[in-house]
Amino acid sequence: KQEVTQIPAALSVPEGENLVLNCSFTDSAIYNLQWFRQDPGKGLTSLLLIQSSQREQTSGRLNASLDKSSGRSTLYIAASQPGDSATYLCAVPDDYKLSFGAGTTVTVRA
Amino acid sequence: GAVVSQHPSRVICKSGTSVKIECRSLDFQATTMFWYRQFPKQSLMLMATSNEGSKATYEQGVEKDKFLINHASLTLSTLTVTSAHPEDSSFYICSAREGSLDQPQHFGDGTRLSIL
Repeated sequence: KQEVTQIPAALSVPEGENLVLNCSFTDSAIYNLQWFRQDPGKGLTSLLLIQSSQREQTSGRLNASLDKSSGRSTLYIAASQPGDSATYLCAVPDDYKLSFGAGTTVTVRA
Repeated sequence: GAVVSQHPSRVICKSGTSVKIECRSLDFQATTMFWYRQFPKQSLMLMATSNEGSKATYEQGVEKDKFLINHASLTLSTLTVTSAHPEDSSFYICSAREGSLDQPQHFGDGTRLSIL
């Protein structure tokens, strides 16, 4: 059974600063890792999916890296904006379902 | 990108009524759909998994007769909360996946259910 941990639980930064969000998982035999964003009262928006054969994936200001052997993924958000304020979740397939981390709640101050 | 539409976004109803929530995949075939429940400031809790044309598989502790799930087509799954009571008030989210575990899951916008 996968255990997924996200550190830190919360993060507050001034606008323009780069964000670094960490995700670790206990079983390195994963198909992929997915990063999501959740705004208050909303569902999850998929940000990036990294397949197990990939080391990183990029979309605009977002870059996610994956180190399967150490059981870690990092989500980088460049030049943060107030609109980036949200909770960010990572998840890995675990048997038939996804195992989620508890999330990192990000606040970007204008 | 892949879109999952969930309806309604918010429901308020009296205790004892049944409520149906729909989840549709708009531009892909959802071979597997998932229903989650989320309590305030907590992560998602998986309730059940369904494959098109098959009975849903419920997680431990989830009442099958209370939460009826139907996945009748490759684009539609429904969750019916039967004889709802205030303790069923919560945020319900569906997700869908096309194909096997190496494919991404796509999530709906959620339904806020409030039972008076």
